[in-house]
Amino acid sequence: GAGVSQSPRYKVAKRGQDVALRCDPISGHVSLFWYQQALGQGPEFLTYFQNEAQLDKSGLPSDRFFAERPEGSVSTLKIQRTQQEDSAVYLCASSLARLSGFNQPQHFGDGTRLSIL
Amino acid sequence: SQQGEEDPQALSIQEGENATMNCSYKTSINNLQWYRQNSGRGLVHLILIRSNEREKHSGRLRVTLDTSKKSSSLLITASRAADTASYFCATAQNPIRNFVFGPGTRLSVLP
Repeated sequence: GAGVSQSPRYKVAKRGQDVALRCDPISGHVSLFWYQQALGQGPEFLTYFQNEAQLDKSGLPSDRFFAERPEGSVSTLKIQRTQQEDSAVYLCASSLARLSGFNQPQHFGDGTRLSIL
Repeated sequence: SQQGEEDPQALSIQEGENATMNCSYKTSINNLQWYRQNSGRGLVHLILIRSNEREKHSGRLRVTLDTSKKSSSLLITASRAADTASYFCATAQNPIRNFVFGPGTRLSVLP
């Protein structure tokens, strides 16, 4: 019923630590997206799932970034060995789109603000 | 690199005035979408316009698309203080591969 939910809203970690960010999409939404948004910039595409299948991960900045959606619902974005440049807001969005995730409106969560010290 | 580029970067107007924001892009698109983002919040979808459409309306919003010029505009009529936000255009390329946002226009509507 509710919108896209992301947790935590804020995360502070020390450089080198691993972090996990969670996204609960709108129930029934097939497509799920992760974006990274730097301060004052537009969101940058990271990865896209259709159900449990990760169809595009071309935007993941490095192999330290990993996303999963094992049961086609909740998704987790994991960042290993965090670096200061990973500091950003991470946004999750979901969509009803089935054939292609980008031809329908996306519904965004409020994001997780990640700060790496 | 971001495909969509909004213009202007920032816009300040008085309540009741109209606000126009422009978006240019580089490659062939399947559709173009406009989103609004209030500070500290996620993006909210406003309008989706497909490549074979030229104009769409939603309430006080009017979006045009000119594929020959690879540009779109968002018009907000009779603006309100609550319209203060950042506005982003995003393009789905053709064939659809991914989704690219521009850097946004920051709109301030003064009461």
